[in-house]
Amino acid sequence: KAGVTQTPRYLIKTRGQQVTLSCSPISGHRSVSWYQQTPGQGLQFLFEYFSETQRNKGNFPGRFSGRQFSNSRSEMNVSTLELGDSALYLCASSPQTSGVFTSTDTQYFGPGTRLTVL
Amino acid sequence: DQQVKQNSPSLSVQEGRISILNCDYTNSMFDYFLWYKKYPAEGPTFLISISSIKDKNEDGRFTVFLNKSAKHLSLHIVPSQPGDSAVYFCAATMADRGSTLGRLYFGRGTQLTVWP
Repeated sequence: KAGVTQTPRYLIKTRGQQVTLSCSPISGHRSVSWYQQTPGQGLQFLFEYFSETQRNKGNFPGRFSGRQFSNSRSEMNVSTLELGDSALYLCASSPQTSGVFTSTDTQYFGPGTRLTVL
Repeated sequence: DQQVKQNSPSLSVQEGRISILNCDYTNSMFDYFLWYKKYPAEGPTFLISISSIKDKNEDGRFTVFLNKSAKHLSLHIVPSQPGDSAVYFCAATMADRGSTLGRLYFGRGTQLTVWP
């Protein structure tokens, strides 16, 4: 099975611009989560999508948005970029669980998109 | 508010010895815990997990221990190998999200260095 893929891998933007990042989950996975990793804050949860619906949202401003398509692929968008948005953006996919987590339940991460805002 | 904490940013261990990575959490609603390993320029890779109904889970060289009363978990790697050198993240979640893992709360990671 192919893993989680993210495009592009690297991106350089300037302040005020907007950016769209893409994530293709593992085949059959309907849940896609997004995280931001920065040296100071570690991995911070952005949002989760499941069957095209946002199920959970982290504590980020409205400039950060996302969506999921019927094939489970997901995009996240950041508008009006700020210097502090420079980070590694990670996407993770996971299959539906039974509701009781077992030792095989995990989120599978993609390699990330490195965004640099100048 | 950091609900999952890894208080040691780095750990250095000799090859063949035991590595013990620690993690504390504050939210008593967490009932599933995971450990991930991360190399530079790659996404985190799942290592091992434990449910709150257990106090130990073992997979090869990796063992995770959970102490619910202390809200503490640890990852033991025995024996440590140079290839284990990476950043290790502890993560936690709760089963109130229904049928997905939902949101993972991560610690800030511990850089493990295993030297020959």
